[in-house]
Amino acid sequence: GAVVSQHPSWVICKSGTSVKIECRSLDFQATTMFWYRQFPKQSLMLMATSNEGSKATYEQGVEKDKFLINHASLTLSTLTVTSAHPEDSSFYICSAPRRTTEAFFGQGTRLTVV
Amino acid sequence: EDQVTQSPEALRLQEGESSSLNCSYTVSGLRGLFWYRQDPGKGPEFLFTLYSAGEEKEKERLKATLTKKESFLHITAPKPEDSATYLCAVQALNSGYALNFGKGTSLLVTP
Repeated sequence: GAVVSQHPSWVICKSGTSVKIECRSLDFQATTMFWYRQFPKQSLMLMATSNEGSKATYEQGVEKDKFLINHASLTLSTLTVTSAHPEDSSFYICSAPRRTTEAFFGQGTRLTVV
Repeated sequence: EDQVTQSPEALRLQEGESSSLNCSYTVSGLRGLFWYRQDPGKGPEFLFTLYSAGEEKEKERLKATLTKKESFLHITAPKPEDSATYLCAVQALNSGYALNFGKGTSLLVTP
């Protein structure tokens, strides 16, 4: 069964509103989680690293004020897309390493901004 | 800069027709090379992690191998349910456990 749960699986929102996506590790603690973004027929691109108890680190070109990350506990990280615009429409996926040898992914969230 | 290149981009096989997918990589110190399967609209499903050249791992009809420059995912006697996109990713020693993905190979197995 799934070891990383992501919610919601899809969301449609109006331009200018904010959307929160949750990522939970189900049977293990994750001090670090990762957020990726995937455009159609493209690879997964790392957006940011979520660190429990400290600030997230963002990849170059990712706006930290637009993509707010909160890692409030050892099993939960959230990604909030603020003031969403149509160009933010994408597939967002979180990942949590259970061990260095295993990196599991959530089911993904399809965000459509209209 | 770390790079991962997968080939072919797309592959169509008949059921039972074995083949291999390629993942070429350059990385400044490899911690691990990962293979995933991704179905449309889903998150990647973990298949294998390989750590050192010469290592091999198997799972059902899939076998992954690793050299210092590339990895192969061999599919033996595939079935239609093996149709998916197969992703390769490298984890560098200095990456903090983040993965750098290739673009994937889209596999279609027809009956």
